[in-house]
Amino acid sequence: AQRVTQPEKLLSVFKGAPVELKCNYSYSGSPELFWYVQYSRQRLQLLLRHISRESIKGFTADLNKGETSFHLKKPFAQEEDSAMYYCALRGTGGFKTIFGAGTRLFVKA
Amino acid sequence: DAGVIQSPRHEVTEMGQEVTLRCKPISGHDYLFWYRQTMMRGLELLIYFNNNVPIDDSGMPEDRFSAKMPNASFSTLKIQPSEPRDSAVYFCASSLRQGGEKLFFGSGTQLSVL
Repeated sequence: AQRVTQPEKLLSVFKGAPVELKCNYSYSGSPELFWYVQYSRQRLQLLLRHISRESIKGFTADLNKGETSFHLKKPFAQEEDSAMYYCALRGTGGFKTIFGAGTRLFVKA
Repeated sequence: DAGVIQSPRHEVTEMGQEVTLRCKPISGHDYLFWYRQTMMRGLELLIYFNNNVPIDDSGMPEDRFSAKMPNASFSTLKIQPSEPRDSAVYFCASSLRQGGEKLFFGSGTQLSVL
């Protein structure tokens, strides 16, 4: 069965500190992993996807198939990073996309 | 393009009443998803359509929930009868298989069942 687990509902860090939002998944094949972000009063939007191997707004995420993880990282958090972050998984052979419970990141000044 | 359009933005109703949520996907998109967002469970996939055909409705909580997509530009999610535990934000999202497969979300409908 497909499952995405985000163990932290709330993560609070100081501005300039490193941040890591954890995501673990359960899937028997090779899924595609995504991070979506919802800023205050904005729509949920794609932040990055593992196949692109890109850095967006300073965030990166590496797919670790051995640990079935896709943690989101940023070396120096900014106040504008405060938002709700969702890890998402799409399995092969279909378009079904499931999300984790989300982690609210709060970056303090 | 206005993106995915959902209506209403807010809905307050009494227990037992029928609720209909509406979604207009981005023109040309061939996938449409309905999600429910709650504090406890995050974003739950309820159902998704491909070319107007329901593909997976395993996330629909129970028979009180139904979804339709009569054409490529319109979908509804209906709850009948509604219950207080249905209170949540309901999101619609659309996607284009040939467009990088990312989901485009609507603004959501905040449903409160009293």
